[in-house]
Amino acid sequence: GDSVTQMEGPVTLSEEAFLTINCTYTATGYPSLFWYVQYPGEGLQLLLKATKADDKGSNKGFEATYRKETTSFHLEKGSVQVSDSAVYFCALRQTSGSRLTFGEGTQLTVNP
Amino acid sequence: SAVISQKPSRDICQRGTSLTIQCQVDSQVTMMFWYRQQPGQSLTLIATANQGSEATYESGFVIDKFPISRPNLTFSTLTVSNMSPEDSSIYLCSVERQDGNTIYFGEGSWLTVV
Repeated sequence: GDSVTQMEGPVTLSEEAFLTINCTYTATGYPSLFWYVQYPGEGLQLLLKATKADDKGSNKGFEATYRKETTSFHLEKGSVQVSDSAVYFCALRQTSGSRLTFGEGTQLTVNP
Repeated sequence: SAVISQKPSRDICQRGTSLTIQCQVDSQVTMMFWYRQQPGQSLTLIATANQGSEATYESGFVIDKFPISRPNLTFSTLTVSNMSPEDSSIYLCSVERQDGNTIYFGEGSWLTVV
């Protein structure tokens, strides 16, 4: 079945550091890929998505590129802020109407 | 995106009781789902809420424990029955709108069973 693997956390960075959170997946066909973010005490928010190979999703300074050849969707940000401290979930979905398959989540803490 | 309202947002419940969580969406949606997030864990799909018919449950979840209703295209309820401390979790309603394959989440209902 489909699966998503995220880099182990937690990740701790200083403000303005470069961020990479690795995400790889196993799936048949061409799923859509997503990053969701969960701020402390809140639900999940969609951060960005990509629906086909080589698409780049971006939002709030975060980017991720759908790499079919490496089955990856790594999340990057050039300069993190304290307000980016949250749990980040990578997820995939095969088709409209189907379930989301989530990774384990990566806790990010940004220190001033 | 979709505006998804969940009630209650938080509750502390006694062991053996049941609690019903409501999910209201601001527009008609095609799919509604219920997820559980246990402390420090990722999300697990409980069931897909089907309008006017029985929900479709995932392996490990049963209707007697998690009865679900969806009377129309914008509203669903999840009941957590006969609660035990192991049911302490965040329960999240999520929806797929008619215009795409993206799933949006509510703020979650944070339940603590004592």
